[in-house]
Amino acid sequence: GEQVEQLPSILRVQEGSSASINCSYEDSASNYFPWYKQEPGENPKLIIDIRSNMERKQIQELIVLLDKKAKRFSLHITDTQPGDSAMYFCALPMATGGNNKLTFGQGTVLSVIP
Amino acid sequence: EAAVTQSPRNKVAVTGGKVTLSCNQTNNHNNMYWYRQDTGHGLRLIHYSYGAGSTEKGDIPDGYKASRPSQENFSLILELATPSQTSVYFCASGLGGAETLYFGSGTRLTVL
Repeated sequence: GEQVEQLPSILRVQEGSSASINCSYEDSASNYFPWYKQEPGENPKLIIDIRSNMERKQIQELIVLLDKKAKRFSLHITDTQPGDSAMYFCALPMATGGNNKLTFGQGTVLSVIP
Repeated sequence: EAAVTQSPRNKVAVTGGKVTLSCNQTNNHNNMYWYRQDTGHGLRLIHYSYGAGSTEKGDIPDGYKASRPSQENFSLILELATPSQTSVYFCASGLGGAETLYFGSGTRLTVL
């Protein structure tokens, strides 16, 4: 099965409301949980991340929650704006040998409706 | 900001032909990665490298080779391109899996 499962794949919200994206994982050793945003025609860019010593992190309108016991982490965008319309990816480092590689979720297309 | 440059931006190839995608980074990052992006699959790792001279298989390496001749350059090679390799390919560099990845602008490859 997938090492990182991301849901939903498509999300439409009204401007000003909140949007939530969830990811679940299998590897209990994971300790770093980033989120990337990809605008149409652009490359993915890191927007927020959280490490395992935290349960919550907020940067402006972005909130990340981490539940290590349940092996889930989520991105919440409060007061969504049209500029938040994009694809969002969660990711996890997957340990291999002496280093890590980043494995991405399947992505969520967020559309903010004015 | 970290700079990762990919070339070409767009490429049309014929089935059975050889395709080379190039990536250059000026960040002095040890790690470089090649991903492909397809609808419904997100970003999938093809090959990666820990430094000059090293290449490692990612999650979907079949049909692809990689070359890392220097710290700055990392190439993805399709020896015998197939239509199933039509995709958008992203190169990225980083200090390691637990740190930020910096992506290039992508290469859109169409194999006819």
